[in-house]
Amino acid sequence: KAGVTQTPRYLIKTRGQQVTLSCSPISGHRSVSWYQQTPGQGLQFLFEYFSETQRNKGNFPGRFSGRQFSNSRSEMNVSTLELGDSALYLCASSLAGRLQETQYFGPGTRLLVL
Amino acid sequence: GESVGLHLPTLSVQEGDNSIINCAYSNSASDYFIWYKQESGKGPQFIIDIRSNMDKRQGQRVTVLLNKTVKHLSLQIAATQPGDSAVYFCAENLYNTDKLIFGTGTRLQVFP
Repeated sequence: KAGVTQTPRYLIKTRGQQVTLSCSPISGHRSVSWYQQTPGQGLQFLFEYFSETQRNKGNFPGRFSGRQFSNSRSEMNVSTLELGDSALYLCASSLAGRLQETQYFGPGTRLLVL
Repeated sequence: GESVGLHLPTLSVQEGDNSIINCAYSNSASDYFIWYKQESGKGPQFIIDIRSNMDKRQGQRVTVLLNKTVKHLSLQIAATQPGDSAVYFCAENLYNTDKLIFGTGTRLQVFP
């Protein structure tokens, strides 16, 4: 069974631009969570989607948004990019989004904002 | 691609020795804990988990210990191998949410 895939793997943008990242969960998984990883802040939760609905949200500004499609694939969007948005963006999927369920991570998309 | 920055706590062990990685979690309401391993250029990989109604859980070469009194979690790796070199994160799942809160990570270096 294929793991979580994320595209693109690397991305370079300039300040003020917007970016869309894509995540395909493990087949059969319906919950997708997004995390931001930076050297200074570590791994931080962005949001979680289940059945096309955002169920949980972390403490990030409204420039960060996401959505989930009927096939469970998810996208996250960052508008008006800032230098501090440079990070590794990780998505994780789990089977049914139940509590205490293991999340499996993709390889991440490394975003560099210049 | 590196997974984290330059100032992580680092544990250096000799191949074949046992490793113990510690983690202090933040919320007494957390009821599920997970250890992840992250190698350079990869996403975190699940190692082992433990629920708050347990004190100890064993996997293949790994053991997780949970001390709820002092909010402490540890990961023990037996007979550490070069392939164990990575950054290890503990994560806590807040009660009744799907949100994972990650620790800052510990870099494990295994030398021959």
